[in-house]
Amino acid sequence: GENVEQHPSTLSVQEGDSAVIKCTYSDSASNYFPWYKQELGKGPQLIIDIRSNVGEKKDQRIAVTLNKTAKHFSLHITETQPEDSAVYFCAASIADYGQNFVFGPGTRLSVLP
Amino acid sequence: GAVVSQHPSWVICKSGTSVKIECRSLDFQATTMFWYRQFPKQSLMLMATSNEGSKATYEQGVEKDKFLINHASLTLSTLTVTSAHPEDSSFYICSAQMASGYTDTQYFGPGTRLTVL
Repeated sequence: GENVEQHPSTLSVQEGDSAVIKCTYSDSASNYFPWYKQELGKGPQLIIDIRSNVGEKKDQRIAVTLNKTAKHFSLHITETQPEDSAVYFCAASIADYGQNFVFGPGTRLSVLP
Repeated sequence: GAVVSQHPSWVICKSGTSVKIECRSLDFQATTMFWYRQFPKQSLMLMATSNEGSKATYEQGVEKDKFLINHASLTLSTLTVTSAHPEDSSFYICSAQMASGYTDTQYFGPGTRLTVL
C-alpha cells in the first residue's frame, strides 16, 4: 500500500522568510497530492493540490512542485507571516471517486515575528 | 463553496453513554464521506469510508459495532460512538467528496472533540 513520509516534522522560520516542506510517496499509481493546513483545535483546510499531469502549481504565496520520477512533492510558502503558523499535512491518493487519502505525519510550522 | 459542518463541536459524556456526531456538506452533494480520528500531535487516522445508501467500509482495527456510521442522504453522515469509554476520547473529523466536479478532493469539517469521563 501507499506510504507517505514528510519532512521536517517541525520548522521554525523568521517572518518574511520562505518555508519548504517535502513529502515522498511510495505508490507510483498515486496521482493526486493535496496539502492541508490545520490550526489548533480545527479541521484541516485544503490550501493547494496538484495532479500528476502538471509539475508545479502556484496560488499567491503558496506553491507546490511534483517530481513524479523521484516520487516526491513539496510545499513552498514565501513571505511567511505569523498566521501561517500551523500544522501542515500532505497526502497522496489515486484520483478517483471514493479513494481515500494516505496522509503524511505532519509538519509543525512556526513563523517567528 | 465546499463547506462541511460538524455538530457538536465538542461533547463531554459519562462512560457508558452513546454519542452521535453529525457531518453535513452544506453547499454540495457528497456521495462519499470519510471519518477520521486524530490524537494530539498526530496525523489523521482513517476510521471508515461512508457511502450514501450503503454500509460503511471500516479500516482494519476499527470496531464497526462500536463506531456506527449512517450515511442516510447525500449531505449527511453520522458517527455514533456506542458505550463510550475514556479511551474513546479524541478529536473526530469528517470529510466529504463532491459527487460531481473535482470528485477526488476531500473537504474537511471543523472536527468534534469528544471527552469521556
